[in-house]
Amino acid sequence: AQKVTQAQTEISVVEKEDVTLDCVYETRDTTYYLFWYKQPPSGELVFLIRRNSFDEQNEISGRYSWNFQKSTSSFNFTITASQVVDSAVYFCALSDFLSGGYNKLIFGAGTRLAVHP
Amino acid sequence: NAGVTQTPKFQVLKTGQSMTLQCAQDMNHNSMYWYRQDPGMGLRLIYYSASEGTTDKGEVPNGYNVSRLNKREFSLRLESAAPSQTSVYFCASSYSGGMNTGELFFGEGSRLTVL
Repeated sequence: AQKVTQAQTEISVVEKEDVTLDCVYETRDTTYYLFWYKQPPSGELVFLIRRNSFDEQNEISGRYSWNFQKSTSSFNFTITASQVVDSAVYFCALSDFLSGGYNKLIFGAGTRLAVHP
Repeated sequence: NAGVTQTPKFQVLKTGQSMTLQCAQDMNHNSMYWYRQDPGMGLRLIYYSASEGTTDKGEVPNGYNVSRLNKREFSLRLESAAPSQTSVYFCASSYSGGMNTGELFFGEGSRLTVL
């Protein structure tokens, strides 16, 4: 079954600390995509990254980095030198491809990150 | 380019009332989706429409109906609202077939409260 687990319900850090959000997934597919979305207090979903299952290179974008390890079925997200503006709920998601080239996304329960000044 | 537009943004209903959430996308996507978000549950799929003319149940379809009116529009109807349907609802759309990268494009959400 397709499943995404975000074991950390809430994380609280002080500004400038590094923080890692964990994501573990289960999939029957050999080709799949993994995603991270951010949901700030305003409520919209902000796309952060998409990773193809064939590309295990880590990715860095500014203070954000992602570590994808197929061997452990994990796709963890690290924020370096956290800032108050990083306070949000973060969702990890897994593609679930259907016949005909369609797909849906399976979401984890989300991790609420609070960054305090 | 508006992307995915949902209406209304906020709605308060009494138990037993009906309402329809509207969603439209202008990206020429084939697939559209309705998710609900509840605290601690992430986003759960209610219904999806892989292409115009088709709809399928997702993880939590009970109490909802959908209509894929045309390629652009996908509506979600609550026939007899219940307090358990208090939630934030997100509409999304995506490419399909050869252009499908797995990514869904989301609307801004609709907050529904059922008293």
